[in-house]
Amino acid sequence: EVQLVESGGGLVQPGGSLRLSCAASGFTFSSYWMHWVRQAPGKGLVWVSRIITDGNSTSSADSVKGRFTISRDNAKNTLHLQMNSLRAEDTAVYYCARCSRGDSSNFDYWGQGTLVTVSS
Amino acid sequence: QSVLTQPPSVSAAPGQKVTISCSGSSSNIGSHYVSWYQQFPGTAPKLLIYDTNKRPSGIPGRFSGSKSGTSATLGITGLQTGDEADYYCGTWDSSLSAGVFGGGTKLTVL
Repeated sequence: EVQLVESGGGLVQPGGSLRLSCAASGFTFSSYWMHWVRQAPGKGLVWVSRIITDGNSTSSADSVKGRFTISRDNAKNTLHLQMNSLRAEDTAVYYCARCSRGDSSNFDYWGQGTLVTVSS
Repeated sequence: QSVLTQPPSVSAAPGQKVTISCSGSSSNIGSHYVSWYQQFPGTAPKLLIYDTNKRPSGIPGRFSGSKSGTSATLGITGLQTGDEADYYCGTWDSSLSAGVFGGGTKLTVL
């Protein structure tokens, strides 16, 4: 059974940092592109970042470029999102999602999400 | 403002059919496959349609997807009260080099 389990969320002050993790199991993690998608309270889905299978290429939304870094450890079947210089508008539930086919938006499995709250 | 435009809400009676539109541009819907997601409150989104018109295993045939030019449509027939949820379209945008979603549509089954 495919499982994605996020962790690392919590309350952080503006300007602070957090590192989210997504533990994958039930599939060959190294064969799939992975994404982060976030959802502010009561709002819609917003794509955040993407990483290809070997981690050598990434893409990120303009709103997080220079502040967030996506990475992966294929040996540990884990996806990460390093978030620096956090702002109030980064407050959201963060989901990791598996992409069923590399260059597509087919997110076939999602984690349960981890809540990040940026507030003083 | 979302790159893809969806109506905020749609409604229909049980047993009826509803369509949800998703409007974009040549750099996203016009040149990429579209996916659709269903989300219930407090839960993660679920893939309903991928590659514009394909259904993952386990998704009923009542759900369908189509595309014309720079717009995509999700169709749901035989509406059930259990279909009440938020629905999102998504795709890739070549100009932005980023994934994009619609703002979401809340479906009410009256």
